[in-house]
Amino acid sequence: DTGVSQDPRHKITKRGQNVTFRCDPISEHNRLYWYRQTLGQGPEFLTYFQNEAQLEKSRLLSDRFSAERPKGSFSTLEIQRTEQGDSAMYLCASSLAGSQFAQETQYFGPGTRLLVL
Amino acid sequence: AQSVAQPEDQVNVAEGNPLTVKCTYSVSGNPYLFWYVQYPNRGLQFLLKYITGDNLVKGSYGFEAEFNKSQTSFHLKKPSALVSDSALYFCAVRESASKIIFGSGTRLSIRP
Repeated sequence: DTGVSQDPRHKITKRGQNVTFRCDPISEHNRLYWYRQTLGQGPEFLTYFQNEAQLEKSRLLSDRFSAERPKGSFSTLEIQRTEQGDSAMYLCASSLAGSQFAQETQYFGPGTRLLVL
Repeated sequence: AQSVAQPEDQVNVAEGNPLTVKCTYSVSGNPYLFWYVQYPNRGLQFLLKYITGDNLVKGSYGFEAEFNKSQTSFHLKKPSALVSDSALYFCAVRESASKIIFGSGTRLSIRP
């Protein structure tokens, strides 16, 4: 399967613990995105990378959140000192940057569902 | 800022009947619009997009969407619904080079 993959698919943690999620984009895609989706809502943008550079971060991404894409391939999203409000589905997407960004399609992974107790 | 609205939380259709899932948009400049589908416990799957050109866009699984500039709408349609089409559908608009803004979603239920 050459789609976007995410690991783990599910994570249950206690409040105050740190968690890390991994995303592997489609192999030739140079852009990678993280979104958060809470129950009954559409996904909300968190951050995005072009190659290894993190180019934009949403105000939703508090200081407890950090994302990396060290070699321009896979990415990790870490949440420190988790809170119950962090419970959500975390989605990763990737795309291939072209000359016109409007033409790009973002392809999503299956998501990591986080439950903070 | 760009935005989309999905006025219906749920749409119920009998199998074999045509379906429409509504979406309206608000943009400054040219609209770049998308439809995604989400099955239970799955990520989003791309269905189709409107960039420019023909107002009727054809996508995956027999879905199409009609772009209407005067009504600022981008409704998703299918001539004959299948039970397997039951899922959560999201309309979205590109806000920037990086960001896509999603609607709140419409749950489509197809009864046999």
